[in-house]
Amino acid sequence: EAGVAQSPRYKIIEKRQSVAFWCNPISGHATLYWYQQILGQGPKLLIQFQNNGVVDDSQLPKDRFSAERLKGVDSTLKIQPAKLEDSAVYLCASSFGTSEERQFFGPGTRLTVL
Amino acid sequence: SQKIEQNSEALNIQEGKTATLTCNYTNYSPAYLQWYRQDPGRGPVFLLLIRENEKEKRKERLKVTFDTTLKQSLFHITASQPADSATYLCALGYSTLTFGKGTMLLVSP
Repeated sequence: EAGVAQSPRYKIIEKRQSVAFWCNPISGHATLYWYQQILGQGPKLLIQFQNNGVVDDSQLPKDRFSAERLKGVDSTLKIQPAKLEDSAVYLCASSFGTSEERQFFGPGTRLTVL
Repeated sequence: SQKIEQNSEALNIQEGKTATLTCNYTNYSPAYLQWYRQDPGRGPVFLLLIRENEKEKRKERLKVTFDTTLKQSLFHITASQPADSATYLCALGYSTLTFGKGTMLLVSP
């Protein structure tokens, strides 16, 4: 079974630039999550999709972050404009159903904002 | 505000011993709790889930307890091995998951 795919694996940008991350969940998984993990911290949920609808985006900084999951399959997360404090690993995860079920994480995208 | 606390210091133990990791929480009433393992440069990997009405769960060398009165979960690895060295994250759930900072476990031969 293929795992959760993410790209790119690494990205370095200047502050105020924009960046986009892509995630392809495990086939058949209805729920997709984007997390932000700052060094030394646990993952923090940014947004949760159920199929192509948003379940929770309460911690998404909507003035600069946006995410979409067209057709209920893969997803993109965008930051525009980036700030220094956005430097982190962005993890995508998926689960078959609700968040009570085990989540399968991708390898993450390490973002460095200079 | 909601708070999840895991052992802030790394836990160093010798091979063969039992490792016990703690997850305490306040201002939260989770319906379930999950434990994940995270290796450097990788995403977390699911280990165990325990629901609020369950006291204990086991899987091979792993055991997790959940005490909703004490607001605490304990995660045990018996007969620990150097390959168990990693960061272990607890995550509390209701409709979404909230993760703790994790505890780094180092198992020396």
